[in-house]
Amino acid sequence: KQEVTQIPAALSVPEGENLVLNCSFTDSAIYNLQWFRQDPGKGLTSLLLIQSSQREQTSGRLNASLDKSSGRSTLYIAASQPGDSATYLCAVWSGNQFYFGTGTSLTVIP
Amino acid sequence: GAGVSQSPSNKVTEKGKDVELRCDPISGHTALYWYRQSLGQGLEFLIYFQGNSAPDKSGLPSDRFSAERTGGSVSTLTIQRTQQEDSAVYLCASSLGTGSNEQYFGPGTRLTVT
Repeated sequence: KQEVTQIPAALSVPEGENLVLNCSFTDSAIYNLQWFRQDPGKGLTSLLLIQSSQREQTSGRLNASLDKSSGRSTLYIAASQPGDSATYLCAVWSGNQFYFGTGTSLTVIP
Repeated sequence: GAGVSQSPSNKVTEKGKDVELRCDPISGHTALYWYRQSLGQGLEFLIYFQGNSAPDKSGLPSDRFSAERTGGSVSTLTIQRTQQEDSAVYLCASSLGTGSNEQYFGPGTRLTVT
């Protein structure tokens, strides 16, 4: 069974810092990987989707990479802002099911 | 345009009662997904629909859970004889196609079983 792990579980950084969130998965037979953010009491917002044939995707200050063979993805956030504070989740699509990590709770301190 | 909507937003029910949760996907999205998020836990994938069909129901926690989708649009998740461990936020998402497209999530239904 696919297992998705996110490290660290929580992260606190001062505003302006660049940071990296990690996601690893045990079964490399995935179709894609998606990064989300979840704000307290709210649903999830999609940030980036990387297909299995892709190596990275960028959107504004966010860059996500995928190394399918080693079962790893990273989400890079440049010049962090207090508004980036949220829980970040990664998820992989196996073809018939999504598997989510337990998330990284990010706090950006003004 | 309108996003994914879910109703009710909150539901408190007594143990043993049946509940029905509703999801309205984004218009034109053929894929629809149900998840459960328990307090302090990650997202648990329950079931997905491609059109009106659910290819794999093995993610449903027990036979008290069922889901259906009609007309390729609205979906309902039904929990029969609710138990306290069913208390969670139930999230619905939709996408243009299955898996390979971005998912858009609804705000969720918070279910509390007393």
